[in-house]
Amino acid sequence: GAVVSQHPSRVICKSGTSVKIECRSLDFQATTMFWYRQFPKQSLMLMATSNEGSKATYEQGVEKDKFLINHASLTLSTLTVTSAHPEDSSFYICSARDGTSGKAFFGQGTRLTVV
Amino acid sequence: GQNIDQPTEMTATEGAIVQINCTYQTSGFNGLFWYQQHAGEAPTFLSYNVLDGLEEKGRFSSFLSRSKGYSYLLLKELQMKDSASYLCAVTPGGYQKVTFGTGTKLQVIP
Repeated sequence: GAVVSQHPSRVICKSGTSVKIECRSLDFQATTMFWYRQFPKQSLMLMATSNEGSKATYEQGVEKDKFLINHASLTLSTLTVTSAHPEDSSFYICSARDGTSGKAFFGQGTRLTVV
Repeated sequence: GQNIDQPTEMTATEGAIVQINCTYQTSGFNGLFWYQQHAGEAPTFLSYNVLDGLEEKGRFSSFLSRSKGYSYLLLKELQMKDSASYLCAVTPGGYQKVTFGTGTKLQVIP
């Protein structure tokens, strides 16, 4: 089955530092990747949509300079949380959409804690 | 715009059958997803319906009616481990973003 690998699964960082999260599609080419964040007991919130080789499309209210997204290849997208603050602590989840089948699969998620 | 509705919570008994409904109103339609999400974990893929009809996969089945903007997820022979949130999501024409409903929290009781 389709596998999307997301790393790291957990990260603790100091306030003001940057954190990079990787999302890889292991056995299919992902024409589109999505980045979500989710607070406890709340719904998934789409942050941005990225297509390989082009700039990401950010949802309203998401700071593109703070959440840097790079989709350099058909199997890799990265999300960098710059100058992290405690309020950025959340569960970040990527999703990759198979360009052939149209199905979208999730990575395992990254639990970010900013102290 | 996209609007997706599903019940907030449901409770069902172990061994029983439960149907989780999802209605949607979208500008364009290219497919409907169902995902399962356990607390503290990322969603896992259950099904992807593009055409009308019922698709069965083990204990889980998913139904789609595009003309009615309606889908359901059917879970048979419920097990305690099926207690989770079930997310309905729709994608408009083309490979654009996937829009999620708020999810249905299912509790399976003995």
